[in-house]
Amino acid sequence: QVQLVQSGAEVKKPGASVKVSCKASGYTFTSYYMHWVRQAPGQGLEWMGVINPSGGRTTYAQKFQGRVTMTTDTSTSTVYMELSSLRSEDTAVYYCARGGSGRLAAAGVWGQGTLVTVSS
Amino acid sequence: DIVMTQSPDSLAVSLGERATINCKSSQSVLHRSNNKNYLAWYQQKPGQPPKLLIYGASTRESGVPDRFSGSGSGTDFTLTISSLQAEDVAVYYCQQYYTLYTFGQGTKLEIK
Repeated sequence: QVQLVQSGAEVKKPGASVKVSCKASGYTFTSYYMHWVRQAPGQGLEWMGVINPSGGRTTYAQKFQGRVTMTTDTSTSTVYMELSSLRSEDTAVYYCARGGSGRLAAAGVWGQGTLVTVSS
Repeated sequence: DIVMTQSPDSLAVSLGERATINCKSSQSVLHRSNNKNYLAWYQQKPGQPPKLLIYGASTRESGVPDRFSGSGSGTDFTLTISSLQAEDVAVYYCQQYYTLYTFGQGTKLEIK
């Protein structure tokens, strides 16, 4: 079955970087866009950006421009999201979510989430 | 950016009764070329990732019970649960995917 499995929880100090992985299985990896969405404690969903695993083209939310990098490794069907210059407000659960085969599609499959805690 | 606004922020409904959640977008999410609305609804239970319920404003995702229905077009949309079940307690989000992704702030649904 289609599945997205994310890496484990992370604790980082302010100013550091974090890299979260999302391993896909059960479908053709390069055929579907992958989004990253985060959720701060007790808050709503915030879209961070999207990557097309076929070619690696990315689009980032303006809020995260310059701090976020999304990459793929097609040999392992894994997508990565790296966020730099971490601050306490970046404490959140980070989700990868599979979009559609086209750019305009809802997210039908989600990873389990990765809690990133930023604390000194 | 398209702003999505849900109402109400929270809602308490008796078991077996109808629950209605509204969502308004700051600009139309109707694609004129194919007459499709790029609007989805998600359900999120505590400690779980969101689950896609409805896409295209009114198409139920596979496996979603038919008590869930979506309606609306352009800028105004509604999610209706026709007969509330205990397992429907969750936070519900609307989302536009007309231009990248934007989510509503969420509506918390509880049992009265």
